[in-house]
Amino acid sequence: GAGVSQSPSNKVTEKGKDVELRCDPISGHTALYWYRQSLGQGLEFLIYFQGNSAPDKSGLPSDRFSAERTGGSVSTLTIQRTQQEDSAVYLCASSLASGGSYNEQFFGPGTRLTVL
Amino acid sequence: SQKIEQNSEALNIQEGKTATLTCNYTNYSPAYLQWYRQDPGRGPVFLLLIRENEKEKRKERLKVTFDTTLKQSLFHITASQPADSATYLCALRSGATNKLIFGTGTLLAVQP
Repeated sequence: GAGVSQSPSNKVTEKGKDVELRCDPISGHTALYWYRQSLGQGLEFLIYFQGNSAPDKSGLPSDRFSAERTGGSVSTLTIQRTQQEDSAVYLCASSLASGGSYNEQFFGPGTRLTVL
Repeated sequence: SQKIEQNSEALNIQEGKTATLTCNYTNYSPAYLQWYRQDPGRGPVFLLLIRENEKEKRKERLKVTFDTTLKQSLFHITASQPADSATYLCALRSGATNKLIFGTGTLLAVQP
């Protein structure tokens, strides 16, 4: 496809369960980002992958959150032992990484996570 | 601490008028600043980027200014239309990486 895709589009889970959210970036984009957006709030940075470099995990809110990117393409965000405060829309974005400063980010439609 | 502030209150304007949205930041020295549009239930869409050595950038009805002394960017939509109604987010490059930090966004409502 032409854009960033995410799955599932909606996920309802019970408190304490683990969830996996998937992101397929635009082909050829070496940078991949995960954000979280709570109702009426801005985007909260979670994690950033750049090529083969170690990911920037500085935005992950707790050790229940982890993410991996396999083969430099698809990424999975895992939330273990979900809590109600994890309910939000999780957005993935990808971009071309260049030596310069230009990096327009292309966003997917997001996964709406509801923890009951 | 580092902070990016956008008007939290919605901006309501009449069709045809110019909308001006503000983005203020503290404790950053960003190499560039970006503006995105977000519609309900959708991911943000990139609109414009302005570099630290640029004062102004235009694209069709959009204009962005960047004042690194005031630590402020203004985003203008001229001849606004109801279809321009959306939330507009500013974002700064953080440090030497390509990581962006986003503001909370301003909701623009253009009344016909």
